[in-house]
Amino acid sequence: QKEVEQDPGPLSVPEGAIVSLNCTYSNSAFQYFMWYRQYSRKGPELLMYTYSSGNKEDGRFTAQVDKSSKYISLFIRDSQPSDSATYLCAMSEKTSYDKVIFGPGTSLSVIP
Amino acid sequence: GAVVSQHPSWVICKSGTSVKIECRSLDFQATTMFWYRQFPKQSLMLMATSNEGSKATYEQGVEKDKFLINHASLTLSTLTVTSAHPEDSSFYICSASRQVGGNTIYFGEGSWLTVV
Repeated sequence: QKEVEQDPGPLSVPEGAIVSLNCTYSNSAFQYFMWYRQYSRKGPELLMYTYSSGNKEDGRFTAQVDKSSKYISLFIRDSQPSDSATYLCAMSEKTSYDKVIFGPGTSLSVIP
Repeated sequence: GAVVSQHPSWVICKSGTSVKIECRSLDFQATTMFWYRQFPKQSLMLMATSNEGSKATYEQGVEKDKFLINHASLTLSTLTVTSAHPEDSSFYICSASRQVGGNTIYFGEGSWLTVV
């Protein structure tokens, strides 16, 4: 079993839809959870960062962490064509100097 | 704006030559930087952890003599691909930790290496 699992997609939705992206993980020691957006041929861009369980909202984006289920989600409301990208979940155990483990990424296309 | 700068963005080199990629943290000091490799449509694979003033820590299966990492200052880490081969062609990305309320990792824009 991989440490972090993520459905690679591709996921295609109409503009304005609510998008749900998810990751599961096996390491119960993970405490820091991040979502990155990566456009083709570009470096990943940090979208959301959460510590431990709970929800965090930033504009159209909401991140949820359920440590009991080892499950994290990213919701995108009112999706736009500019949201079309690959979304990577990432997580680490302790501090800034810990390894960050990435999911394989989900490819999202928002159709106008 | 960008907090981690990577250079060059694109590089083509001949097989057998060496290529250096730079990673700089802007406006903050990064005692630890990370180097990743990403093949098309695949996720980022950690190659090594670069520690300022000491030797890098390489992940299993990564040849330390082929991928030389130097972290000479608190804002600069370099990755040198030595004796490059076509199979080294990939997207190389660096990242640096920034203590902003916890564990936040910022990435450079990445460097596309093509070995011909």
